[in-house]
Amino acid sequence: SQQGEEDPQALSIQEGENATMNCSYKTSINNLQWYRQNSGRGLVHLILIRSNEREKHSGRLRVTLDTSKKSSSLLITASRAADTASYFCAARLQAAGNKLTFGGGTRVLVKP
Amino acid sequence: DAGVIQSPRHEVTEMGQEVTLRCKPISGHNSLFWYRQTMMRGLELLIYFNNNVPIDDSGMPEDRFSAKMPNASFSTLKIQPSEPRDSAVYFCASSPRWEGVGYEQYFGPGTRLTVT
Repeated sequence: SQQGEEDPQALSIQEGENATMNCSYKTSINNLQWYRQNSGRGLVHLILIRSNEREKHSGRLRVTLDTSKKSSSLLITASRAADTASYFCAARLQAAGNKLTFGGGTRVLVKP
Repeated sequence: DAGVIQSPRHEVTEMGQEVTLRCKPISGHNSLFWYRQTMMRGLELLIYFNNNVPIDDSGMPEDRFSAKMPNASFSTLKIQPSEPRDSAVYFCASSPRWEGVGYEQYFGPGTRLTVT
């Protein structure tokens, strides 16, 4: 199976609610990154968390990293319709040079 | 900065034709990545370059695919001959550095390729 697998695959929430998605990976990482992709567009980098960090915030985004469980979560607080997108985690594996291994993504629908 | 520039944005071609996709990374970035995205396979890394040198091409599907980076501001991905199963969105991304613990990647808008 793939590194960087997201859960759930799809999420539907009301505007104002929080959205949480999870990512798991299998081997040691240097960092883990989250990206957003709007339909028909390229991916946009949201946040990077290094392997020695446990939590990071950026605006309404909160990312946690648990290296013992090889998992990360992305929380979007007070969601807006504009947050509707697919969200991908990407792991920079220690043994894989400079490349990122992307998961399959979580499709988030925020209903107004 | 204009961001990563890709051309063309859309390409429709017939099976057997040669296809060339182009990418201009962000100025000053020294890592460049080519990805392919499909519904079935998700986002796949095809090849990446550090300082214009191909580092890992293990994701290139077969010999019909080739990529070059003749200088720091330009890269091409060529498919020859193209097949219907090559239909996908192809993304180019660049990153400011490659050493150390790693940095974020900046993606272009993609080229949507349809091979009929």
